[in-house]
Amino acid sequence: EAGVVQSPRYKIIEKKQPVAFWCNPISGHNTLYWYRQNLGQGPELLIRYENEEAVDDSQLPKDRFSAERLKGVDSTLKIQPAELGDSAVYLCASSLGLMGQKNEKLFFGSGTQLSVL
Amino acid sequence: QKEVEQNSGPLSVPEGAIASLNCTYSDRGSQSFFWYRQYSGKSPELIMFIYSNGDKEDGRFTAQLNKASQYVSLLIRDSQPSDSATYLCAALSGTYKYIFGTGTRLKVLA
Repeated sequence: EAGVVQSPRYKIIEKKQPVAFWCNPISGHNTLYWYRQNLGQGPELLIRYENEEAVDDSQLPKDRFSAERLKGVDSTLKIQPAELGDSAVYLCASSLGLMGQKNEKLFFGSGTQLSVL
Repeated sequence: QKEVEQNSGPLSVPEGAIASLNCTYSDRGSQSFFWYRQYSGKSPELIMFIYSNGDKEDGRFTAQLNKASQYVSLLIRDSQPSDSATYLCAALSGTYKYIFGTGTRLKVLA
């Protein structure tokens, strides 16, 4: 069974340019997460989807970041325009989405390493 | 105060020794705790989770939870150089939000 698939693996752009990241979660996983991880830090949640509904986007900088999860499967995270401080690894994760279960495990994709010059 | 705190390390242990990684959390409503291992340049992978007070063992790994002290730990027995990585502690809050610590870098010296 395929894991969480992300693309691209690396992206280098100049500041003020737009960039998009794509994620395909594990089949059957209802919950999808986008995290940002800065060097030497733990992942920080940007947005969480339950099926196609964004249930937690409180940490998403909405002036420049947007996300969508059409049909409750694949998701795209976009930054427009990118700033130097957006350089980080963007991780997508998915889980079964069994609300109320204490063992709700996250499975991460390989991430997209973004460098903004 | 960060919600999940870990010592960033590095924690250096000799091969074959026990590595002890610690984590504290501030939200008493947190119900489950997870340890993820992250190799340099790779994404986190789940090692263990625990939600009941006490110890939980899986092979060379033991997770320990003390809810009264809001303390979680991971013990790695017979540490191997291949265990060298960053270990992330995560808490699942009562609102089903995952909060990660900054991670502890472990170095196992051959």
